[in-house]
Amino acid sequence: DVKVTQSSRYLVKRTGEKVFLECVQDMDHENMFWYRQDPGLGLRLIYFSYDVKMKEKGDIPEGYSVSREKKERFSLILESASTNQTSMYLCASKPSGGGFHTIYFGEGSWLTVV
Amino acid sequence: SQQGEEDPQALSIQEGENATMNCSYKTSINNLQWYRQNSGRGLVHLILIRSNEREKHSGRLRVTLDTSKKSSSLLITASRAADTASYFCAPVSSNTGKLIFGQGTTLQVKP
Repeated sequence: DVKVTQSSRYLVKRTGEKVFLECVQDMDHENMFWYRQDPGLGLRLIYFSYDVKMKEKGDIPEGYSVSREKKERFSLILESASTNQTSMYLCASKPSGGGFHTIYFGEGSWLTVV
Repeated sequence: SQQGEEDPQALSIQEGENATMNCSYKTSINNLQWYRQNSGRGLVHLILIRSNEREKHSGRLRVTLDTSKKSSSLLITASRAADTASYFCAPVSSNTGKLIFGQGTTLQVKP
């Protein structure tokens, strides 16, 4: 069965801390994504990666970076967490080859920055 | 914005009734997808409709697409309490191949 696993479901971090959100997929997908979801704003794309070591900015990359050293793993990094980064973060993956593939999502990581 | 915009934002119905959610978008698309999200969970793919299709069915789901009006609708027939969730449309841009999610419609089905 298809699986996207986000290592942490709930995190509480302090302002200024460096935060790592990890995501692993077992489907050999080329494309991986990080979204954040906030009430009234829907899902907003932070970064995506279409291959190992490749990354592209999404709509709201400020304050975030990503790492993709292996095909199955895509990490989201908050260099210095701030309270406005309190949100639900969703990782997703899909095969390459255009837009006719569905996206598979992880269960989400709830991050609270205090 | 290229994103899908769902209407209504919230919908409350009784079990057994039909639920209709609408989606409008602004860009050219090659397909449009609908996803469901249970509270506090990830999104799950429901159905994909290609730009050259007008209607598609999957179980109790019926999706329509009108590319001339840049709109789509999702109909859930004979709703159940377990259908309570948020529903998102995601038009896929024919220029970029990217899915653009809207804010979703929150559906509550009362037993």
